[in-house]
Amino acid sequence: DVKVTQSSRYLVKRTGEKVFLECVQDMDHENMFWYRQDPGLGLRLIYFSYDVKMKEKGDIPEGYSVSREKKERFSLILESASTNQTSMYLCASRGDSSYEQYFGPGTRLTVT
Amino acid sequence: DQQVKQNSPSLSVQEGRISILNCDYTNSMFDYFLWYKKYPAEGPTFLISISSIKDKNEDGRFTVFLNKSAKHLSLHIVPSQPGDSAVYFCAASAGGSRLTFGEGTQLTVNP
Repeated sequence: DVKVTQSSRYLVKRTGEKVFLECVQDMDHENMFWYRQDPGLGLRLIYFSYDVKMKEKGDIPEGYSVSREKKERFSLILESASTNQTSMYLCASRGDSSYEQYFGPGTRLTVT
Repeated sequence: DQQVKQNSPSLSVQEGRISILNCDYTNSMFDYFLWYKKYPAEGPTFLISISSIKDKNEDGRFTVFLNKSAKHLSLHIVPSQPGDSAVYFCAASAGGSRLTFGEGTQLTVNP
């Protein structure tokens, strides 16, 4: 079974703090993704990575950065958290031979 | 520009009846489509998919139909069960790594 884990289920941070969200997958997948989910807006892609040290901007990269130093780990960084970044953050991974993405349980981030 | 749209935010059906969830897309480059189900406080899980070379794919109680000329796909669940109550997302791929998701439809199946 593919397992995608995220470092925290719930996180509360203050405005202006630097926030790190970690994601680890155990299936040796080449591709990893960060989404945010907001009511009525679905899943919006923030960044993705198709290989170690490689990254591509998604649809809403502003205010975020990412790091992929190892194949199994993909980190999302909020350089200076703002209240409009309060959201559910979902990490996913996918192998090159399949369209299907496997998701982690999500991190509910609240910025106050 | 919302390339994948699910126009119904919610749907309520009786247990045992058919649930039909709809999805429209605008990008003619999309060639593979997926449906995901999401329970609260969990990540989405893959349900069923269809390639653009087909017009129907079936897996147990779940069937996905694709109408390429109308750029429309639908997910049929028969018979619906209370455990099917969840948010359903359709997603599309134009090749490459990424998927484009719709807004989601909250399905409630009443006992």
